[in-house]
Amino acid sequence: DSGVTQTPKHLITATGQRVTLRCSPRSGDLSVYWYQQSLDQGLQFLIQYYNGEERAKGNILERFSAQQFPDLHSELNLSSLELGDSALYFCASSEAGRTEAFFGQGTRLTVV
Amino acid sequence: DQQVKQNSPSLSVQEGRISILNCDYTNSMFDYFLWYKKYPAEGPTFLISISSIKDKNEDGRFTVFLNKSAKHLSLHIVPSQPGDSAVYFCAAIITGGGNKLTFGTGTQLKVEL
Repeated sequence: DSGVTQTPKHLITATGQRVTLRCSPRSGDLSVYWYQQSLDQGLQFLIQYYNGEERAKGNILERFSAQQFPDLHSELNLSSLELGDSALYFCASSEAGRTEAFFGQGTRLTVV
Repeated sequence: DQQVKQNSPSLSVQEGRISILNCDYTNSMFDYFLWYKKYPAEGPTFLISISSIKDKNEDGRFTVFLNKSAKHLSLHIVPSQPGDSAVYFCAAIITGGGNKLTFGTGTQLKVEL
């Protein structure tokens, strides 16, 4: 158990809908990262937050947004969903000043 | 543009032998490298890392080697055990740039009895 908790584990939704994925980082970790793993793309970095502030952005679509709350949990919002958004979404967290990130079990999103 | 490459999608090794997983990178700004292991239906698990100022780091059965001039790193597992069967991802970081991980596409290791 990495200490990173993601909910829900599975999500099935229709095209055009909006969903929210939730992540609770390891206790004390200030950095939260979101990654997408689709079948043909491998693990792709989406976005990073550090203590509530956006720190880095990857190839995140404009339809996607994220935030980190004062209690350090993070949410990834995906809107106007398309079939191609079906993927595993992982959250990871790390301590300040450390490079090793610890991953949650992921949320499997299926868009039908 | 795939900046971190794992050219072998799969590797099969006998129990007790050495497993060698390879990874190449193109971005010379990467200065920290990590290996993660992933079982089905689980998130990646951190295994071992190495800074670009070193050429070797060892942790039990796992050793990572870095050849900066060749932009190549490898993970050695000795001796390999059936429980090591998983997908192994190599990842690279530009420290100070938010520490986002750039992953390779993974190598499926199968350790056979």
